[in-house]
Amino acid sequence: DVKVTQSSRYLVKRTGEKVFLECVQDMDHENMFWYRQDPGLGLRLIYFSYDVKMKEKGDIPEGYSVSREKKERFSLILESASTNQTSMYLCASSFLRQGGQPQHFGDGTRLSIL
Amino acid sequence: AQSVAQPEDQVNVAEGNPLTVKCTYSVSGNPYLFWYVQYPNRGLQFLLKYITGDNLVKGSYGFEAEFNKSQTSFHLKKPSALVSDSALYFCAVGSGNNAGNMLTFGGGTRLMVKP
Repeated sequence: DVKVTQSSRYLVKRTGEKVFLECVQDMDHENMFWYRQDPGLGLRLIYFSYDVKMKEKGDIPEGYSVSREKKERFSLILESASTNQTSMYLCASSFLRQGGQPQHFGDGTRLSIL
Repeated sequence: AQSVAQPEDQVNVAEGNPLTVKCTYSVSGNPYLFWYVQYPNRGLQFLLKYITGDNLVKGSYGFEAEFNKSQTSFHLKKPSALVSDSALYFCAVGSGNNAGNMLTFGGGTRLMVKP
């Protein structure tokens, strides 16, 4: 079974802090994704990566950056946390093949910015 | 651009009755369609997908979905609901035009199955 592991289930940080969310997958997937989930808005893509050191902006990249130094690990960085970044953050991974590959999700990190 | 609409925020059904969770989509090119389920404080779990072929797709936990090209719909169905099916359901669409197999998700539908 695919395992996508997010380092923290719950995290509380203060406004202005630099925050790191870590995600690791064990299936040798090329693609990795970061989403945020807010009630009524579904999932919104922040960034994705299709290879080591490669990254592409999603729909809402402002205030975030990412790092992918190894194939299995994809980090989301909040450069200077703000209260409007309080949310559930979900990491996902998938194979990079002819379309139709399902994405596999971690259990999420519920982040609160005070 | 691609988009997904889940017109119902919540669907209520009695245990043992059939259930339908609706999804319509918009995409250029051939669609890849997915259903996911999310239980409280968990990530999304893949249920089923449509890529090509038979319009009726069967998935996990007895769920199935019907692809209708003319109505651009991909409704999720189950003949007999269980209380344990109560969860949040997401429809998602991708297409061959997307690099990296990007998906667009609907807003989610909460399914409540009452005993």
